[in-house]
Amino acid sequence: SQKIEQNSEALNIQEGKTATLTCNYTNYSPAYLQWYRQDPGRGPVFLLLIRENEKEKRKERLKVTFDTTLKQSLFHITASQPADSATYLCALDMYSGYALNFGKGTSLLVTP
Amino acid sequence: SAVISQKPSRDICQRGTSLTIQCQVDSQVTMMFWYRQQPGQSLTLIATANQGSEATYESGFVIDKFPISRPNLTFSTLTVSNMSPEDSSIYLCSVMNRGGRGTDTQYFGPGTRLTVL
Repeated sequence: SQKIEQNSEALNIQEGKTATLTCNYTNYSPAYLQWYRQDPGRGPVFLLLIRENEKEKRKERLKVTFDTTLKQSLFHITASQPADSATYLCALDMYSGYALNFGKGTSLLVTP
Repeated sequence: SAVISQKPSRDICQRGTSLTIQCQVDSQVTMMFWYRQQPGQSLTLIATANQGSEATYESGFVIDKFPISRPNLTFSTLTVSNMSPEDSSIYLCSVMNRGGRGTDTQYFGPGTRLTVL
């Protein structure tokens, strides 16, 4: 069955450092991979989408890489700030190609 | 992007009752989905709401338990029927417009937090 794995342990980093979150998947050949941010009590907010033929994508302080050979995506936040503290979800298109299959997310805490 | 609202934002219900959750979008959208997020878990797709026809349900979810309506391109409802404490969860509506490259992102509503006693 299709599986998406994200680090279950919370990631604690100091302000100003780069946070790196990992998303691994199995039994998938996704057309694209997405990253979302979720704050407590709120719905996920879309951050970045990267397609299978793209290696890297950037948006301001965010960078996503996509390695279809390793079946892995890395999500980086550079110059992290306390406001970046949230849960970050990795999502892949489902077999139907429209809805998304989400990982459990990794909680990030950035301390001053 | 789309602005999505859900009603109610939260509710506490008694076992055996039903609750209907509304999802309203500020623009016409192609696809609407309903997800569930149980405590400490990720999002699980319940169904795809199809305009003018029956919803498409994922494995483990059935129409009798989670009837869905989508009368037009901006509105959908999800009913949680004959509730039990196991239905306590956050229910999320999301939308997507199928289009060209780079448009396959989903936008989520704020969620409805349901507690069943």
